[in-house]
Order: sequence, then structure tokens, then C-alpha cells
Amino acid sequence: QVQLQQSGPGLVKPSQTLSLTCAISGDSVSSNSAAWNWIRQSPSRGLEWLGRTYYRSKWYNDYAVSVKSRITINPDTSKNQFSLQLNSVTPEDTAVYYCAREGYKRIYDAFDIWGQGTMVTVSS
Amino acid sequence: DIQMTQSPSSLSASVGDRVTITCRASQSISSYLNWYQQKPGKAPKLLIYAASSLQSGVPSRFSGSGSGTDFTLTISSLQPEDFATYYCQQSYRALTFGGGTKVEIK
Repeated sequence: QVQLQQSGPGLVKPSQTLSLTCAISGDSVSSNSAAWNWIRQSPSRGLEWLGRTYYRSKWYNDYAVSVKSRITINPDTSKNQFSLQLNSVTPEDTAVYYCAREGYKRIYDAFDIWGQGTMVTVSS
Repeated sequence: DIQMTQSPSSLSASVGDRVTITCRASQSISSYLNWYQQKPGKAPKLLIYAASSLQSGVPSRFSGSGSGTDFTLTISSLQPEDFATYYCQQSYRALTFGGGTKVEIK
């Protein structure tokens, strides 16, 4: 079955870059019928979609307006994984970060597979 | 962004009760509405997609309805394992979640 395994540091200093990786098993990051997302959750902001990468004959990215100037999501086809980089972090970026597959059924999409979550704290 | 408003934010219910949670979108989203269940320390789990379609492996006591701006998640007979927080999420434009409804034991 499809599984997502997250990795990355749990503590990041203010103004530095948050970097997380999501390894995919049982599916392909290059799938034409899925998108690969990053979502975070905090008590103050709830569940917040950050962005996604997907392949439809070429690679595309979509990012949330709230983080668009600071975020990069990249696929790595050689390792079948994708990554999140969030620059210039502040304590407001402290949250549990999830990777998730967005699967498609007919014309509808939903987050049907999730990673285990990574608690990231921004603190000096 | 499309705002998703859930109500109530929390409720208390007993095993066997019928439970209804509502979700309202700030504009029409057709049937681009999903429901998730989240337990403490765990990732959300997809229950319902496309407003009313049951995700594979999810018990049939869960059902969803609605279209446009108003949606409902119903648990027909609450079971002990259903005590959790439930979220709606729209995929019509950008991707946004509701604030959650915590279902607690009465």
C-alpha cells in the first residue's frame, strides 16, 4: 500500500530555513494521477495547506498565498520523494508539518494518504 | 481564499447517538468537499470525498451530504472509536480546511 515517510529536523532557528523530506513507497512522485502536498497544523492557524508539486507531462507547483514568497517544494525522481523548504522562518511557523498525497477520483481530489507528521519548533 | 466554517466547534454525545456536523463555504464549491477524522497525535484520515462518497474502508455509519455552500457529515450511531476531531476541506479553489469539530464523550 502507499506510504509516506517524513524526515527532517524538529528544531529550526529564527530566520533560517526549514527543510523536510517525504519519501514515497507504493506510488510514484511522477504519477499523472496524484499531487504531493505539504500541510501544517498549529493551535493558532489550524490545518493550513502550504503547497504541492505534481507531474502532468511537465512539473507544476502551486503554493498558498500566505507563504508563496518563502516556500519551495521540489520533487526528486531519483529517490521517489519530495521536499519542503520554508525560508526566513519565525516562531509563527512552529507547527506539525504533514506531507500528503492528493488522489483523484473522477474529477474530485482529496488527501487520501498522509505522512506521520513532524513537529517543527522555531526557536533560538 | 474560500472560508470554511464548521459548527458546532465541539459537542458531547453518547455511544449510539446520531451525530451531525455542518460545514459552510463562503462561496459555492459544488461538491468539492471532503471530510477527515483526526485523533490526538495522529494525521487526519479521509472519511468522505466529493461531499458524499465514502472512502474505501470507512464504516458505513459515516455519511456526507450537501452541495454548493452547505454540507453535513453524519455519524448514524456513534461508536467509542469515533470520539475525535472532524474537519471539512474544500478543493474547489486553493485548498482550505474548516476549524474542526471535536466530538467528546458525554
